[in-house]
This record gives sequence, structure tokens and C-alpha cells, in this order.
Amino acid sequence: DADVTQTPRNRITKTGKRIMLECSQTKGHDRMYWYRQDPGLGLRLIYYSFDVKDINKGEISDGYSVSRQAQAKFSLSLESAIPNQTALYFCATSPGRGLNTGELFFGEGSRLTVL
Amino acid sequence: LAKTTQPISMDSYEGQEVNITCSHNNIATNDYITWYQQFPSQGPRFIIQGYKTKVTNEVASLFIPADRKSSTLSLPRVSLSDTAVYYCLVGDPNAGNMLTFGGGTRLMVKP
Repeated sequence: DADVTQTPRNRITKTGKRIMLECSQTKGHDRMYWYRQDPGLGLRLIYYSFDVKDINKGEISDGYSVSRQAQAKFSLSLESAIPNQTALYFCATSPGRGLNTGELFFGEGSRLTVL
Repeated sequence: LAKTTQPISMDSYEGQEVNITCSHNNIATNDYITWYQQFPSQGPRFIIQGYKTKVTNEVASLFIPADRKSSTLSLPRVSLSDTAVYYCLVGDPNAGNMLTFGGGTRLMVKP
């Protein structure tokens, strides 16, 4: 079983719909991240959380919100999806301060298509 | 955050050694250099990390000159399965700022 699990893996939705992407991890890591990747491009950071009470905006947070329900769970929401949010979304984790080598552990990705 | 610059793409042949260089002119004292590999539709995977001189593991070597303003990922004897995008990241892991992926280098290994 994957250590970092994302659901759904694929989703097609319509403009204006609310969408939630979920991420859960069994690695016991404090830090969790959401990235977005567009075709042929690198990953861009949307939001990150260093612990349950600490959530921070990344490079491209507009149009997105997140919730850290527990150490193991970090959800990404699109309140009103638009076509240019069509992308591949990745969740990642890393250990907390003092244990952090900088290595990120990624989920398998959630492909979102907004029509 | 230290900005990184890598070649957009590289071609190689099976069995050759591939060297991908990353420039990071404004690297800070506490920054480490980390390389990831990404296959299509998969999340990036950690390859190697270093601070200075040379680091080697079972899949790659990382060469870092004394001024640390660049680094070179070396993949020995590549195979077709090494075709992927390779990303260089620079940052302080304890500050949690090793988070920015650039465009990466797209390596194509040919038979």
C-alpha cells in the first residue's frame, strides 16, 4: 500500500462545481504539501502545512483552500472550479523540523479536468 | 530562495554516462542541494542530496564544487528506463524552504 494516498485519482467536473482532493499518509510525517503540475511544466506549490495548526500559502494559492484535519490528512478544495485549474495535483509529505532532510514523499497524483 | 537553472533537455544513448548541471548562484550557507526524478504522470522521486564535495549512492553521484554555486548530477551507464525529467532543488531543509521545483531537465535515453 502507498504511504501517501490521494483520492480521487481522476476526476472530471464542470465549471463552478466545488471539488475536494484528499490526501492521507501513513508515514507519520508532520509536514504536508499540495502541488500542481501542468503539462510539460514543473511543479508549483499551492499550500503547505508544517503541522496541524500551521498552514501556509504557496506560489499559487488563489482559487484554492486547504484543511489539515489531522496529522495524517490534508485536503485541497477548489470552491468554484474553472477550466484553467485542469491539472495534475500531487500531495507530498516530509518529516518535521530536526528530522527533515528536505526529501519530499509524493502521492500518485490526482488528475483533475474542469470542463 | 536560491533560484536554480538547468538545461531544458538532454539526449543520451544507452550505456553512456549522463551529467546534468544545475546552477544556483545565490545558494545560502545552510542550503542543501537535492535532485528528484519524475516519470510521466507520477510524483517526483528523491534521487540524491548533498551539501558539498561528492555524494554517491546506488543510482547516482552528485558533484558540488567548493563555491557550491553549481552542482552536477551524474547518472552512470543510463538505460531506457532513465528517460525522465530531473529536477534540482536548493534550500534549507530545517527551514522548510526546499520546496520550489523549476522546469527540470528532460532526459531522453535512446537505444
